[in-house]
Amino acid sequence: QLQLQESGPGLVKPSETLSLTCTVSGGSISSYHWTWIRQSPGKGLEWIGFMYHNGTTTYSPSLKSRTTISVLTSRKQFSLNLSSVSAADTAVYYCARAGGTSFDAFDIWGQGTMVIVSS
Amino acid sequence: SYELTQPPSVSVSPGQTASIICSGDKLGDKYACWYQQKPGQSPLLVIYQDSKRPSGIPERFSGSNSGNTATLAISGTQAMDEADYYCQAWDGGTDWVFGGGTRLTVL
Repeated sequence: QLQLQESGPGLVKPSETLSLTCTVSGGSISSYHWTWIRQSPGKGLEWIGFMYHNGTTTYSPSLKSRTTISVLTSRKQFSLNLSSVSAADTAVYYCARAGGTSFDAFDIWGQGTMVIVSS
Repeated sequence: SYELTQPPSVSVSPGQTASIICSGDKLGDKYACWYQQKPGQSPLLVIYQDSKRPSGIPERFSGSNSGNTATLAISGTQAMDEADYYCQAWDGGTDWVFGGGTRLTVL
C-alpha cells in the first residue's frame, strides 16, 4: 500500500523559505501525479500546486509567484518550496497522490505536517 | 478563478439521509469529488468522478453532479459520519479548487 510522509521544519521565520519533502513508500513515484495542499488552523483546505508524472507543474494563482514543486525521483521524494513566508502561511501542509482513482482526485494523503511562521 | 460554495453546516438525525451541496458555475461539466475529514486526521476521499466510491468506502455514501450543483448524500447516517466534508473539482485547465467545507453534525 502506497504511503506518503511529509517532513521538514516545524518553525520558519517570516520572509524565509518554507521547504518540505514528501517521501513516497510502497509504490512508484513515476506512475502518478502529486500535489500539495494546506490547511490553516480552523480553516478549510487550500490547494497549493500539482506536479504531473512527467514533472510539469501548475500552481494556485494566489501562491504561484512564491511556490516551487520539484521531484527527486531517485529518492522517491517530491518537495515544496514556498518563499517569503508570513504568518498567513502558518498551516498544516499535506502531500497527496493524484491519478490513483482518477486524474483529478487525491486518493492518498500524508498525515500532514504543521508549519508555524514566527520569529 | 473558479470557486466552489458549500453551506457551513448541515445537521441530520441518526439513520436519516444527509445531503451536502456544492455549487459552482457549470460544475456539472466537470468532475466533482468529496473528502471527509475528522478532527486531527487527514482528509479521506469518499467520492470521485461525481459518483464513484473508492475501495473501502461504505455504500451509504453516494454522489451526483448536474447543472451548477454537486451533491454528497449519506444514507442511514451514523455517528461516525460526523465530520467536515469538502468538495473539490479540477477547473479543466490548470487549477484544482476546494469548497469551503461543510460540518456535518449527527444529532
